[in-house]
Amino acid sequence: QSALTQPRSVSGSPGQSVTISCTGTSSDVGAYKYVSWYQLHPGKAPKLMIYDVTNRPSGVPDRFSGSKSGNTASLTISGLQAEDEADYYCCTYTGSPSYVFGTGTGVTVL
Amino acid sequence: QVQLQESGPGLVKPSETLSLTCAVSGDSISTTYWWSWVRQPPGKGLEWVGEFHHSGVTHYNPSLKTRVTISVDKSKNQFSLNLSAVTAADTAVYFCAKNGGFYLEYWGQGTLVTVSS
Repeated sequence: QSALTQPRSVSGSPGQSVTISCTGTSSDVGAYKYVSWYQLHPGKAPKLMIYDVTNRPSGVPDRFSGSKSGNTASLTISGLQAEDEADYYCCTYTGSPSYVFGTGTGVTVL
Repeated sequence: QVQLQESGPGLVKPSETLSLTCAVSGDSISTTYWWSWVRQPPGKGLEWVGEFHHSGVTHYNPSLKTRVTISVDKSKNQFSLNLSAVTAADTAVYFCAKNGGFYLEYWGQGTLVTVSS
């Protein structure tokens, strides 16, 4: 199972919006409504940001939103803030049962 | 609030078995949920290792299936990861997590395991 494809990095100024893409295949991202997104800060526990493509856990700011079209899922951060600077990973259930993560995207707040 | 804490040796010799434990607090291992292990090699992305359910059912990453075992100690409310015949490629930060549905809802901070002689 190959890793999902994400851009290596994205950047934006405070207040701007950035979107991270996550591209898989018709056997993983395209097949299930089970895409999730995680935020990683060095030395801290990863944090769930989005689950089941569009759902936001309690406590996650509504600046974070998820979507999916075909074999590509996306995470959008609106109103970028300094604390959003982190690595972000998508993940999808692939059946089997198994999960596969994306290659990861570093978000930089300029 | 669920909390998970990984523990185990930080250094393992090649060809030996890596053994880690995840202590769970704020929730019971014996719930309807699944519990998982994920790893991240230095400078690389996340990799799903496997998951288990307290009923005894386990699922493993096909690429690791022949070497990995996840087990549970209900009396201590913890679960473990054993990875045999390790090589340098198994050097990684290992995370334990509690599944929600088809996602990982709560994570531990992770523990670095280095494979080296």
